[in-house]
This record gives sequence, C-alpha cells and structure tokens, in this order.
Amino acid sequence: QVQVVQSGAEVKKPGASLKVSCKTSGYTFTIYAINWVRQAPGQGLDWMGWMNPNSGKTDYAQKFQGRVSISRNTSISTAYMELFSLRPDDSAVYYCSAGDYMDIWGKGTPVIVSA
Amino acid sequence: SSELTQPPSVSVSPGQTVSIPCSGDALSRHFAHWYRQKPGQAPVLVIYKNTERPSRIPERFSGSSSGTTVTLTISGVQAEDEADYYCQSAGNSDTYKIFGGGTKLHVL
Repeated sequence: QVQVVQSGAEVKKPGASLKVSCKTSGYTFTIYAINWVRQAPGQGLDWMGWMNPNSGKTDYAQKFQGRVSISRNTSISTAYMELFSLRPDDSAVYYCSAGDYMDIWGKGTPVIVSA
Repeated sequence: SSELTQPPSVSVSPGQTVSIPCSGDALSRHFAHWYRQKPGQAPVLVIYKNTERPSRIPERFSGSSSGTTVTLTISGVQAEDEADYYCQSAGNSDTYKIFGGGTKLHVL
C-alpha cells in the first residue's frame, strides 16, 4: 500500500545540522509532490517546503529560507530535508507528506535540540 | 495577505452539527484543504479542493467555500471527531503552502 516511512528520532546540539529521510513506497515516487511540515510541542502545523520529485524543483517557506534544503534520490524513492544551524526552538516533530493534497503522511520524526 | 485565520476552539454535543470557518485573502485565489489531527498522531486529510472528500472519510464531513472563507462542517458529530482541525491553502504560488492556526474541536 501507499506509505511514507521517516527516519528515527534525533537529538542535536545547537548549531548542528539535521537531515531527515522520507522513504516512499506503493506508488511511483516522481508523480506526487513532497512537502515537509513541522510541529513544535503544543503548537500548530508549520509548512517548511515543497519539492517536485520529478524535476527536483523546490519552494521554501520564507522563515526557513537559507536554512533548509529539500532533496531526493529517485533511485531509492526517498526525499530528504536538511535544516542547518539548529536552535533550541527547532525542537519539533518533523513530518513528510506526499500527494497532490498532502494526503499521505509519515508518522513524524521527533527532534530535540539541546545543549 | 498569506494568513489563514481559524477560531482556536469550538464545542459541540454528540449528534449535533458543527462548522469550523477559515478565512484569508488567499482563499479567493486558491483551493483549501482540511486536516484532522488527533494527539500524538500525524494529520489526516479530510477535505480537499474546498469540497471534495477522500473516499475513506465519513460522509458526515463536508466542506464549503464563499469568497475568502471556507468552512468545514461535521454533521452528527461523534466523540471520535474530537481533534485539532487545520485548514491549508497556498500563498503567492500554488507551491507555497500556508496553514491556519488550527481549531480544537471539543465534543461535550
């Protein structure tokens, strides 16, 4: 069946970088857009960026411009989200979502940023 | 403006009907989609393109649109519908996504 499996929980130091993977299965990887969304504890959904897996074209939320990068490896149907220069307020659950309307979601990757 | 506004919370009794509005200028130019999120779980798409319902979502969920406001309506609310609901649309382009702040639905 169609699914998205994300990499596991991470603990990072301030200033470090984060890379989360999103492996898709059950459909042709290149036909559905990939979005990354994060959710800080007790807060709402915060869109980070979008990628067309066929072309590799990306679009990022203004608040993350210059600090986030979304990429893919089509040979293994996997998308990646990198976030640089981590701060404690980047502690959140990071979600990968696929589909024309974000209809396929991973379970989320919890990230803690702490000294 | 690239903001979507939702009420922080709404309450409803079981079996009643509840409507959750979402407003913003972007909604006059782009479709809206709705997601339900229960504690500790990933969001689930419940309405797309303002009014369309995924096949796995119960018929009691419906969506409507008028001008710069879209509305999610749940008829015959059940206890299991208690969750956070988020509207989502697009900003300056279709690829630039924006979320509303979310509405917590309390089933009394």
